[in-house]
Amino acid sequence: GQSLEQPSEVTAVEGAIVQINCTYQTSGFYGLSWYQQHDGGAPTFLSYNALDGLEETGRFSSFLSRSDSYGYLLLQELQMKDSASYFCAVRSYPSSGAGSYQLTFGKGTKLSVIP
Amino acid sequence: EAQVTQNPRYLITVTGKKLTVTCSQNMNHEYMSWYRQDPGLGLRQIYYSMNVEVTDKGDVPEGYKVSRKEKRNFPLILESPSPNQTSLYFCASRKTSGGRNEQFFGPGTRLTVL
Repeated sequence: GQSLEQPSEVTAVEGAIVQINCTYQTSGFYGLSWYQQHDGGAPTFLSYNALDGLEETGRFSSFLSRSDSYGYLLLQELQMKDSASYFCAVRSYPSSGAGSYQLTFGKGTKLSVIP
Repeated sequence: EAQVTQNPRYLITVTGKKLTVTCSQNMNHEYMSWYRQDPGLGLRQIYYSMNVEVTDKGDVPEGYKVSRKEKRNFPLILESPSPNQTSLYFCASRKTSGGRNEQFFGPGTRLTVL
């Protein structure tokens, strides 16, 4: 089966940098995504890594190391509006090779940004 | 506007009273799925569908049914709801291949079963 581990809570100061880690165990791994969810809202897509390395999108960056089964989301210049839950999600293909890929979500990291 | 819609957004019902939560997407996505979200447990997949008339169980399918008669619609049916199905439900859709792995979520349906 699939399993993902990420911290349950992180607190950081406005203007600072925070890193949210995600480790995974899965078969048929294809890539790692990150989603953001504000309280009472729906998850929204942030980033996707299929290859090793860093992907940057504005203040947010995401990193993947396939050999270590590890990735992280980096948020820079934190703003109060970044307070939300962040989910990593593994994209994997069935071992049979048939069918579409599956997305399995971690339990989420609640980020609190304080003044 | 590309979107996934769900109805109702909020529902309070009683044990055993059949209900349906509708889901519709306008992006011509092949893949649709239902999740439930409970505190500390993240998003758990209930059922998914890779295309019309093709559905399969996710991680927590017990007590739920789905159907996919049209590409845009994917209703979730609770034949006999029980209090342990009180949860926040999300419908989602995406392409079946390629792309950025972006899955689009509906706004959620908060269900309370008394």
